[in-house]
Amino acid sequence: EAGVAQSPRYKIIEKRQSVAFWCNPISGHATLYWYQQILGQGPKLLIQFQNNGVVDDSQLPKDRFSAERLKGVDSTLKIQPAKLEDSAVYLCASSSLTGANVLTFGAGSRLTVL
Amino acid sequence: AQSVTQLGSHVSVSEGALVLLRCNYSSSVPPYLFWYVQYPNQGLQLLLKYTTGATLVKGINGFEAEFKKSETSFHLTKPSAHMSDAAEYFCAVKGLTGGGNKLTFGTGTQLKVEL
Repeated sequence: EAGVAQSPRYKIIEKRQSVAFWCNPISGHATLYWYQQILGQGPKLLIQFQNNGVVDDSQLPKDRFSAERLKGVDSTLKIQPAKLEDSAVYLCASSSLTGANVLTFGAGSRLTVL
Repeated sequence: AQSVTQLGSHVSVSEGALVLLRCNYSSSVPPYLFWYVQYPNQGLQLLLKYTTGATLVKGINGFEAEFKKSETSFHLTKPSAHMSDAAEYFCAVKGLTGGGNKLTFGTGTQLKVEL
């Protein structure tokens, strides 16, 4: 089966600019996750969707980050305006309802904010 | 809330030597525990997981881990390291209910394998 697709793989922007990342999960996976991985740290959950509804967004900085999964399939994570501390790898993962303990991760989108 | 602590941000072993990566967890209830591996410029890949049942869990690439409730540990081992094992390894914990139902990762251990 095809894996979790993410784009772009790399993005460099100036602070205060905006950026968007796209994720297409494994076909049939109802749950989609966005994680932020800062250099030297473990991934931190930003938001979790089940189908097109939000399950957990408690660690999403809502003043600058937004995410949507309108049709319950692919998802977009947006940052506006970006700050230096947003430099990180943004990982998308998905899981099925029956295999909720097994997350499949994409390769990630590396963001550098200058 | 649950958490994991990985002892040693960098571990170096010789090829053929035992690999031991340490992970201790904190959880108010018996959790689900995971080890993931991340190769450079790639996403995380599941190595193994403990949910219920046998406390010694075997994973891919010859790795295994043992859930020890009395020690709140879930250390990852491999009898003989190979050069291809060089990567970053993350321990993760997942609670079973409410706010603990999300996957929480440790800070990672970078494994270096030397000739």
